[in-house]
This record gives sequence, structure tokens and C-alpha cells, in this order.
Amino acid sequence: DSGVTQTPKHLITATGQRVTLRCSPRSGDLSVYWYQQSLDQGLQFLIQYYNGEERAKGNILERFSAQQFPDLHSELNLSSLELGDSALYFCASSLNKRGSSSYNEQFFGPGTRLTVL
Amino acid sequence: AQTVTQSQPEMSVQEAETVTLSCTYDTSESNYYLFWYKQPPSRQMILVIRQEAYKQQNATENRFSVNFQKAAKSFSLKISDSQLGDTAMYFCAFDQGAQKLVFGQGTRLTINP
Repeated sequence: DSGVTQTPKHLITATGQRVTLRCSPRSGDLSVYWYQQSLDQGLQFLIQYYNGEERAKGNILERFSAQQFPDLHSELNLSSLELGDSALYFCASSLNKRGSSSYNEQFFGPGTRLTVL
Repeated sequence: AQTVTQSQPEMSVQEAETVTLSCTYDTSESNYYLFWYKQPPSRQMILVIRQEAYKQQNATENRFSVNFQKAAKSFSLKISDSQLGDTAMYFCAFDQGAQKLVFGQGTRLTINP
């Protein structure tokens, strides 16, 4: 158990719909990352938040958005869903303490499996 | 852009054998980090081993060790005395320090009894 929790575990929805995936980081971790694992694209970095602010962006579609709340949990919103959005969505967290020179390992949650029908 | 290539989609060995998974990467950076992650059937992503590029010494973690060849941009994972529990997808990953992990396509490793 990494200490990162994600809900729901599974989500089945229809094309055109909107869903929200939730992530709670490990206690004390300030950074949250979202990754998408699909059959055709593999594992891809989507976006990173640090202490409530967007820090880095990857291959995230405009239909997708995310935010990190004051209690540091994060939500990934996926809208106008398409069949190709079916994937396993991972959240990871790391400490990223300011001034720290050591590498901040990312700890992955169990993922949310999204199926778009 | 950084890319990570795993040329072996699938591998299969007998229990207790040694197996080596290959990974090459492309970057113009001099400082970066390399990782091997394990993804068992549970789908959980588990960090197996990490290598800092500025360290010449190859990282080891119990039965897992790497062969890091910086000039060749090669980063292979050796699993000694393989066990049934090592059956999983293995992903090589790269981070140039921005903490955006770039993953390879994975190698599906099966350990046979």
C-alpha cells in the first residue's frame, strides 16, 4: 500500500459524458501527478500540481482538467468522453519539499479504470 | 523530446533463472534519473530500482540490479534467482529532473515454475 488513494476503482460511462476522478496523496506530500495508461499510448504523464498550483503539463487534452484543493487532494475531470479515453488513470504523489536536493520519489495509487462505452 | 524504448515486448524464463530486460533512452541532458517500475496483475505501479545519471556505480536492490551505460544510453535490469512473484509488466522510465516520468512501452515478464 503506497498511501495514495484513488476513487472510484472502476467507472463505466457513455460517450459524451463527464466524470471526475479523485486522488488523496500520502500524508505530507505536496505534489500530485496524473498519468494515463492506455493500450495504444502506454503510460503518459498528464499533469502535476504542487501545493495547489499547476506545476507541469504533459499530453493532457483540452477536454481534461485537474485541480488540487487546499487539503491537497486532487481531482481529474474528463469531459465529452470518447471511446479512446478508456484507460487506467493513475495518481501519484511526492513530497517535493522546498530546498530539498534529494530526489522526490513518486508513489503511485492503485488507479481508476475508466471504461467509455 | 525524451524517449524510452523497450525492445522486448515479452520474455519468459524458468524460476530461479536470471533474466535481463533491456531499455534504451534518448536525451540531450546530462543529469537525469532512470527507473524500473513493476506492474503486477493487480495493476499497482511499484518502484523496483532507481539510478541517478551522475552516479557511475550501478544501483542494486536485493535480487535486482541495473547495468547503466551512460554513453550508450542503455539501462538494463537484471533479475537474479527469479521468483514466481516477479511475473509482471516491467516499465523503464526516465526523469530529467522535472519529475515528469517518461515511460517505455513495457516488457511482459513471465516466470514459469
